[in-house]
Amino acid sequence: NAGVTQTPKFQVLKTGQSMTLQCAQDMNHNSMYWYRQDPGMGLRLIYYSASEGTTDKGEVPNGYNVSRLNKREFSLRLESAAPSQTSVYFCASSGRTGRNSPLHFGNGTRLTVT
Amino acid sequence: RKEVEQDPGPFNVPEGATVAFNCTYSNSASQSFFWYRQDCRKEPKLLMSVYSSGNEDGRFTAQLNRASQYISLLIRDSKLSDSATYLCVGSSGYALNFGKGTSLLVTP
Repeated sequence: NAGVTQTPKFQVLKTGQSMTLQCAQDMNHNSMYWYRQDPGMGLRLIYYSASEGTTDKGEVPNGYNVSRLNKREFSLRLESAAPSQTSVYFCASSGRTGRNSPLHFGNGTRLTVT
Repeated sequence: RKEVEQDPGPFNVPEGATVAFNCTYSNSASQSFFWYRQDCRKEPKLLMSVYSSGNEDGRFTAQLNRASQYISLLIRDSKLSDSATYLCVGSSGYALNFGKGTSLLVTP
């Protein structure tokens, strides 16, 4: 049972480069999320998708785009990477949005932008 | 101001000790609360949900005080393996709001 799978695990980009972080879940969850975690800042929500076909901005969406490709997959794209986007990115899923529904996290992607 | 606030610690306790963490939340409409555990360089993992009546899971007890808007986590008989960062989480609408975490180090 894989749960939430993220790729890649590590990535180094130069400023201005683009990349897509991939996330897939096999728990038949409706809701999926992208968070970033920085030292001293905690986990901050970038984008979420309450259900297939919908996406919404979270707390820190600037510089990112997302695609909910199907129920299983939710990707995060950096169109033009900046050093401020150096962070650990976590994808998560839940049975439904918010209330009474804990999140299941992927292993994270450690991104460095130079 | 973050919606969920925690004392970052670190809390250094000897093995076998009892330790308690508190967490306050600012949104009185928050409905659901959780405690997550995060090991160094790993993803957060659900430790337990927090119910209005309080709940216990082995050595762990979680409580919710809606009047004062705080939740707590009590760990009894601390083990070395309890060393981790503990994240307090509250929901408000569409997503979960995470505290910055409280660091616990259990020493022999």
